[in-house]
Amino acid sequence: KAGVTQTPRYLIKTRGQQVTLSCSPISGHRSVSWYQQTPGQGLQFLFEYFSETQRNKGNFPGRFSGRQFSNSRSEMNVSTLELGDSALYLCASSLDRGLDTEAFFGQGTRLTVV
Amino acid sequence: QKEVEQNSGPLSVPEGAIASLNCTYSDRGSQSFFWYRQYSGKSPELIMSIYSNGDKEDGRFTAQLNKASQYVSLLIRDSQPSDSATYLCAVYGQNFVFGPGTRLSVLP
Repeated sequence: KAGVTQTPRYLIKTRGQQVTLSCSPISGHRSVSWYQQTPGQGLQFLFEYFSETQRNKGNFPGRFSGRQFSNSRSEMNVSTLELGDSALYLCASSLDRGLDTEAFFGQGTRLTVV
Repeated sequence: QKEVEQNSGPLSVPEGAIASLNCTYSDRGSQSFFWYRQYSGKSPELIMSIYSNGDKEDGRFTAQLNKASQYVSLLIRDSQPSDSATYLCAVYGQNFVFGPGTRLSVLP
């Protein structure tokens, strides 16, 4: 059974540019959550998608957005990149809420903004 | 704001000892509790989940949950150098909230 796949693994972007990251969940998982991880802030929740709908959103500016497709694959987009956006971006997939909420992480996309 | 707190460590234990990792959470509505292990430069890996009060054992790992005290712990018996990592406590209510992690160092 394939795990969570994130692409690309590494990105280098310039301030002001935008970036799109992709996440393919474990087959059968309908929930995809995105997180930003930095040494100073730890793992911060960005948003969660379930059946193509954003179900929860963390405290990030509107430059951070996402979407989910009918096959449960998800993308997140960051516009007008800032140096502080440099981080490891992780997505996690899970079946659903309740006791099936075990979340499994992808390998992450390491974004560097220069 | 819903919070999950952990001692940042580092927690150092000798090989073969028991490592005890602790976590407290603020949201009484939380339903599910998880421990993740994260090696440096890698993504978090789920090692334990616990949903009801009491203990849950899986190999060398034991998770303990006390909802009244809003407290979750992870015990690692017979600690090995390969257990050296950051351990993240995660709590699920409306969404996952992660603690800052505790760095564990197991000394040979």
